[in-house]
Amino acid sequence: NAGVTQTPKFQVLKTGQSMTLQCAQDMNHEYMSWYRQDPGMGLRLIHYSVGAGITDQGEVPNGYNVSRSTTEDFPLRLLSAAPSQTSVYFCASSYSDSRGREYFGPGTRLLVL
Amino acid sequence: AQKITQTQPGMFVQEKEAVTLDCTYDTSDQSYGLFWYKQPSSGEMIFLIYQGSYDEQNATEGRYSLNFQKARKSANLVISASQLGDSAMYFCAMREGPNFGNEKLTFGTGTRLTIIP
Repeated sequence: NAGVTQTPKFQVLKTGQSMTLQCAQDMNHEYMSWYRQDPGMGLRLIHYSVGAGITDQGEVPNGYNVSRSTTEDFPLRLLSAAPSQTSVYFCASSYSDSRGREYFGPGTRLLVL
Repeated sequence: AQKITQTQPGMFVQEKEAVTLDCTYDTSDQSYGLFWYKQPSSGEMIFLIYQGSYDEQNATEGRYSLNFQKARKSANLVISASQLGDSAMYFCAMREGPNFGNEKLTFGTGTRLTIIP
């Protein structure tokens, strides 16, 4: 199993550009989520999904879109990048059972100039 | 109110000593799960240990144990016989609700642990 994969590993954008961060998992997990990690603030939830076709907002959803057309994939779209979106982005997935341990991808480091 | 509070931004511990990382949580749900993750300088998130609100025993995983005090709403991570490789950021996190496997995971701000040789 590859687990949770994310691409790209690193990206530089100019203000106003759009891009999609890719996330895929091969563990047949129902639950998938996106976090951003900024210094001193821990991980904050952007969006999450409890299954294909179902998404919901987390703590910091503004400026981001998601969709979940398949169980495996959960892309995160930045609509118009801003310097405030410079961060490290983690995708994670888990079974929707009582333990709900999340498996994390390796992260994408995004720099918006 | 913060859902997860980690009051120690940084800790320095001598190698081979035990260390306790504090975590308190806030929830009105009876059903919830508590998690600890480790993030070394390489950046990946590593799952360490899990405690369910209905678990009667404190969770243990090798050198890691969770000191779960439900009435005080605390879930402290204890690392026995610390090693240099334990130097990392440690995050406490919680999922809450009747079917909390479907609920979002909320993280604390983390504790940076440095092991001194």
